[in-house]
Amino acid sequence: DGGITQSPKYLFRKEGQNVTLSCEQNLNHDAMYWYRQDPGQGLRLIYYSQIVNDFQKGDIAEGYSVSREKKESFPLTVTSAQKNPTAFYLCASKVAGGGYNEQFFGPGTRLTVL
Amino acid sequence: GESVGLHLPTLSVQEGDNSIINCAYSNSASDYFIWYKQESGKGPQFIIDIRSNMDKRQGQRVTVLLNKTVKHLSLQIAATQPGDSAVYFCAEKAGTALIFGKGTTLSVSS
Repeated sequence: DGGITQSPKYLFRKEGQNVTLSCEQNLNHDAMYWYRQDPGQGLRLIYYSQIVNDFQKGDIAEGYSVSREKKESFPLTVTSAQKNPTAFYLCASKVAGGGYNEQFFGPGTRLTVL
Repeated sequence: GESVGLHLPTLSVQEGDNSIINCAYSNSASDYFIWYKQESGKGPQFIIDIRSNMDKRQGQRVTVLLNKTVKHLSLQIAATQPGDSAVYFCAEKAGTALIFGKGTTLSVSS
């Protein structure tokens, strides 16, 4: 059963704590993406990775960090430097060089910082 | 910066009606557009796409229209069903990245 998974679905953290969101895919996709979605807003790109051990900042990378040690995994760390971390976080993947019509999204993680 | 926006944040229709969801874009260099459906608490799902060299594309019960003159994109859903209730948003590709619109919430009542 191929797909892209994110865990956990809901995450609560205290202000000032770092938190890591998981994203795993077994689609053999090279490219992976992290987006942030706020109520009534469009998705905004945080980071993306086209290949293992390489990643690029998106439009709103400040306060976030990522790693891409394995093709299947692209974890996102929300650091204490992120001023407004409460949001819905979406991970996506696609074949490198493939069209966005072949980009698959995970189910998302809703992060609430108390 | 450039942005993609939708004209209405909400749209309510009766089951069986046709729905039209609109999107305005501002980057005339955008060459590719996508419509997504996002159900509550889930990730977006691809619905249909269109390239800038086309003005219409049809899928199953959905049609996308592109008017480059006024930078306008629309999604038409025929015979709307309760299962179509979701947030719909468009995205444009200018360069290598996608820029997403804010979304229209479609509510379908029986």
